[in-house]
Amino acid sequence: AQSVTQPDIHITVSEGASLELRCNYSYGATPYLFWYVQSPGQGLQLLLKYFSGDTLVQGIKGFEAEFKRSQSSFNLRKPSVHWSDAAEYFCAAIMEYGNKLVFGAGTILRVKS
Amino acid sequence: DGGITQSPKYLFRKEGQNVTLSCEQNLNHDAMYWYRQDPGQGLRLIYYSQIVNDFQKGDIAEGYSVSREKKESFPLTVTSAQKNPTAFYLCASSYGDPRDYGYTFGSGTRLTVV
Repeated sequence: AQSVTQPDIHITVSEGASLELRCNYSYGATPYLFWYVQSPGQGLQLLLKYFSGDTLVQGIKGFEAEFKRSQSSFNLRKPSVHWSDAAEYFCAAIMEYGNKLVFGAGTILRVKS
Repeated sequence: DGGITQSPKYLFRKEGQNVTLSCEQNLNHDAMYWYRQDPGQGLRLIYYSQIVNDFQKGDIAEGYSVSREKKESFPLTVTSAQKNPTAFYLCASSYGDPRDYGYTFGSGTRLTVV
């Protein structure tokens, strides 16, 4: 079945530390991949997306993601986390033309000072 | 500024009552979507519409209904047949091929059954 998996439900990092959020997908080809961020009680904001080309994608707010075909992964990274990055992060994918956006379960990021 | 407006932000419903959630967009997007969000489950697709007067069921359509009479509007009705309606509901829209641009989301409506 086509799916998106985020293995970590919660992650806590210290302010200023680096961050990596994991995302894996299950699909026979390369899907269109997205990372969204959601602040509490708010909608989702697109951080970045990938389909082809350079496997390291830059996004907004200093985030980047790396696509690894061999691992079916699209992990989100940030070199130095700020307290304002505390939020829930969703990895999502569109597997085929005409298909809808499929979401992972989300990872809640907590930032400690 | 263009965007998606969901109203109300908070909604309380008594068991057995139908309730309608509003979603309006001024982005001139053709497609609109309704998702339900529950803790630890991500977002699940309820209904979507790619053009006016047409819509399709998503993964969890039972107990919900929609209409798309205008391009700008895609209201969601949560009926009494929905067994567990308490959740956060998100409306989204997309332009052209959503693979290129992703979806734009509203700020959500939190529905609580009391």
